[in-house]
Amino acid sequence: DAGVTQSPTHLIKTRGQQVTLRCSPKSGHDTVSWYQQALGQGPQFIFQYYEEEERQRGNFPDRFSGHQFPNYSSELNVNALLLGDSALYLCASSLAPQTPGSYNSPLHFGNGTRLTVT
Amino acid sequence: DAKTTQPNSMESNEEEPVHLPCNHSTISGTDYIHWYRQLPSQGPEYVIHGLTSNVNNRMASLAIAEDRKSSTLILHRATLRDAAVYYCIPSDYNNNDMRFGAGTRLTVKP
Repeated sequence: DAGVTQSPTHLIKTRGQQVTLRCSPKSGHDTVSWYQQALGQGPQFIFQYYEEEERQRGNFPDRFSGHQFPNYSSELNVNALLLGDSALYLCASSLAPQTPGSYNSPLHFGNGTRLTVT
Repeated sequence: DAKTTQPNSMESNEEEPVHLPCNHSTISGTDYIHWYRQLPSQGPEYVIHGLTSNVNNRMASLAIAEDRKSSTLILHRATLRDAAVYYCIPSDYNNNDMRFGAGTRLTVKP
């Protein structure tokens, strides 16, 4: 049973460029969340996708955008990269509750994409 | 959003029990208490969650105070593999917007 897979594992970009990170959720999961983790800090929530729509967003600028495909996989796009965007980007998947208001399944995380902006 | 307070770091000896505390005094009545851990060079890993009652699974036990303002993650016999950063996260049933703090870095000594 494949877990959450992310690609690429490492990436180096130049300030001002654009980057696309990819995530395949755990088999059977339909919800994808993205997190940014700076060195030495806990992950920070960027946004969550369900049914191909952004359902909730954290405190990140519009330079951060995403997409979810019909097969539940997802992409994170970052435009106009800044040095401060250097971080580990984590994707997490979960299964939305079958009954509204019931507990969502725990998050399953990938091992992330390490983005370095120079 | 509920604010959490955890020790920055803790140490344990291998094969001894470990009690990791978390204060979440502003937790809302419908928030679940989640614990995740992050091993070096890996993404966070789900450990356990609970609402009001104590919970046990194969990885750990979760003891929740009666007023729900604090909880304790219990590792019954620490192994070297348990060395990680442990995060306590109150969150609603949707698991949207999980707010990870700085967590507790657990060191396990052989």
